[in-house]
Amino acid sequence: QKEVEQNSGPLSVPEGAIASLNCTYSDRVSQSFFWYRQYSGKSPELIMSIYSNGDKEDGRFTAQLNKASQYVSLLIRDSQPSDSATYLCAVKADSWGKLQFGAGTQVVVTP
Amino acid sequence: GAGVSQSPSNKVTEKGKDVELRCDPISGHTALYWYRQRLGQGLEFLIYFQGNSAPDKSGLPSDRFSAERTGESVSTLTIQRTQQEDSAVYLCASSSLIPGLGGHEQYFGPGTRLTVT
Repeated sequence: QKEVEQNSGPLSVPEGAIASLNCTYSDRVSQSFFWYRQYSGKSPELIMSIYSNGDKEDGRFTAQLNKASQYVSLLIRDSQPSDSATYLCAVKADSWGKLQFGAGTQVVVTP
Repeated sequence: GAGVSQSPSNKVTEKGKDVELRCDPISGHTALYWYRQRLGQGLEFLIYFQGNSAPDKSGLPSDRFSAERTGESVSTLTIQRTQQEDSAVYLCASSSLIPGLGGHEQYFGPGTRLTVT
């Protein structure tokens, strides 16, 4: 069983619609959760961090965390073609150590 | 301010040669991380530095891989006797470890694309 799981996609989303990305993790003691965006040929770019159960909003992005269900999600509202990228879910089990990444979900926003 | 920088951006080497990859973290960031991303795959953790010490080397694939960090700043990842399976993008990230101020967040450099022929 992979430690961080995501649907690989591609997730096709019409421009202006909401993209919904899901991530599950296996380590119950995980403390910190992150979403990165990675354009083809580029390095990951941090877009959201979340540490507590519930929702966290930043612009068009909303991260949702449910530690009891070991589930974290990302919503992208009013999707734009520039949002087309691979979105990586990352989990940190301890306070200061490594991130464990999912394989990523490819999002394609169609005009 | 300046982000994480890495050099070289691209490196082509022959099988069996040694290579050194360099990472300059964000100024003042205590923690530094190396990851590897093979083509079309996810990120694999290699090693983590806190200051100049490496509490977690669990991801280094073999004894051909080593890393050091000096002056709580620059880090060098060395791969000896390179093999074709070492071809990947090597990514460096850093974080501040300042509690309550996004200290857990890791910021990535542009990566070094290594091709072993």
